[in-house]
Amino acid sequence: ILNVEQSPQSLHVQEGDSTNFTCSFPSSNFYALHWYRWETAKSPEALFVMTLNGDEKKKGRISATLNTKEGYSYLYIKGSQPEDSATYLCAFNSNSGYALNFGKGTSLLVTP
Amino acid sequence: EAQVTQNPRYLITVTGKKLTVTCSQNMNHEYMSWYRQDPGLGLRQIYYSMNVEVTDKGDVPEGYKVSRKEKRNFPLILESPSPNQTSLYFCASSLSRRGQEKLFFGSGTQLSVL
Repeated sequence: ILNVEQSPQSLHVQEGDSTNFTCSFPSSNFYALHWYRWETAKSPEALFVMTLNGDEKKKGRISATLNTKEGYSYLYIKGSQPEDSATYLCAFNSNSGYALNFGKGTSLLVTP
Repeated sequence: EAQVTQNPRYLITVTGKKLTVTCSQNMNHEYMSWYRQDPGLGLRQIYYSMNVEVTDKGDVPEGYKVSRKEKRNFPLILESPSPNQTSLYFCASSLSRRGQEKLFFGSGTQLSVL
């Protein structure tokens, strides 16, 4: 099992605040980095799959960056809304196997 | 609609009573996988399949079996469930077996083994 760390574990922000989370992963044998959004009582849904160092992806108010050399990815949410409340998971895939190794997630609560 | 269908959503059973959780995808995906989610832990892979008749162990395969006789179906079998298998289970699929394709998840199965 490859170690994937996410921080913070949980976050509580006010509506309109911008926020960001970190995903750390092994910097060697990198193949892909995934971000998923998991709302309570639903199943995880893919946000981004990132494969190249320096990649930046954006989907509405959510964006992500990737640094494979130092082994981290940031997820940013601009102007958080209550509907952004969810657990955000990152998952790392190395080029030595087929498994996606998931972090424990960052739980975000956005209050009006 | 493209989806991964997983059943049942909730299941309560007793120790030792064999059960099967079904998973079916309608996207012609090659890769299918089972995960379990436990409090304080990330999603952990149980088994995966890269194509029909090709299955392999993930990180926590003990006590589970799978089969992939058709491309669309990937059932998870617990021959003799035990309380430590109480967990939230997810089936997932992706277009190809390599990690650059996003996973599509089923709706989850909350299993309680008494």
